[in-house]
Amino acid sequence: KQEVTQIPAALSVPEGENLVLNCSFTDSAIYNLQWFRQDPGKGLTSLLLIQSSQREQTSGRLNASLDKSSGRSTLYIAASQPGDSATYLCAACSSNTGKLIFGQGTTLQVKP
Amino acid sequence: SAVISQKPSRDICQRGTSLTIQCQVDSQVTMMFWYRQQPGQSLTLIATANQGSEATYESGFVIDKFPISRPNLTFSTLTVSNMSPEDSSIYLCSVLENEQFFGPGTRLTVL
Repeated sequence: KQEVTQIPAALSVPEGENLVLNCSFTDSAIYNLQWFRQDPGKGLTSLLLIQSSQREQTSGRLNASLDKSSGRSTLYIAASQPGDSATYLCAACSSNTGKLIFGQGTTLQVKP
Repeated sequence: SAVISQKPSRDICQRGTSLTIQCQVDSQVTMMFWYRQQPGQSLTLIATANQGSEATYESGFVIDKFPISRPNLTFSTLTVSNMSPEDSSIYLCSVLENEQFFGPGTRLTVL
């Protein structure tokens, strides 16, 4: 059974810092891995999708990596801004069932 | 990318009643799912909605409590039956098209 874990659960940084959010998963048979952002009281916004055959994806200040052999993914945020404050969720999509299993999220606060 | 709408967007319901949530997709999709997000928690998969057959439920979720319909490849409903305050959550449908796309969610409050 797939289990997804995110560390840390919460993070507070000053504006401008580069930061890394960590995600680990127990079953390497994944179709893809997605990173989402969720603002309080809002729905999910897809940030980055990494297919199982890929090692990383980049979008603007965001870079996500995937290492299937070790069961890990990281989300790197460069030059953080107060507008980046949100909860970040990673989710592993099973290659067998298409089910998306979510981690518990990392709540990020970027202070001006 | 798939565009997903949900109705209602939110509702406040009395204990013991039932609510049916609708999910409409703008294209035909094979894989459709229902998730629950309890207050302060991450998303938990309720079931996979199968077109033309019974839904496949995850551990801890049963058909009597969460009956699901999937009459075609663009539409599904989730009913939350005999509600209690513990059912207060956001319910989201999603589809898989190379990546997962989510609806805006239905925020349910049970008094």
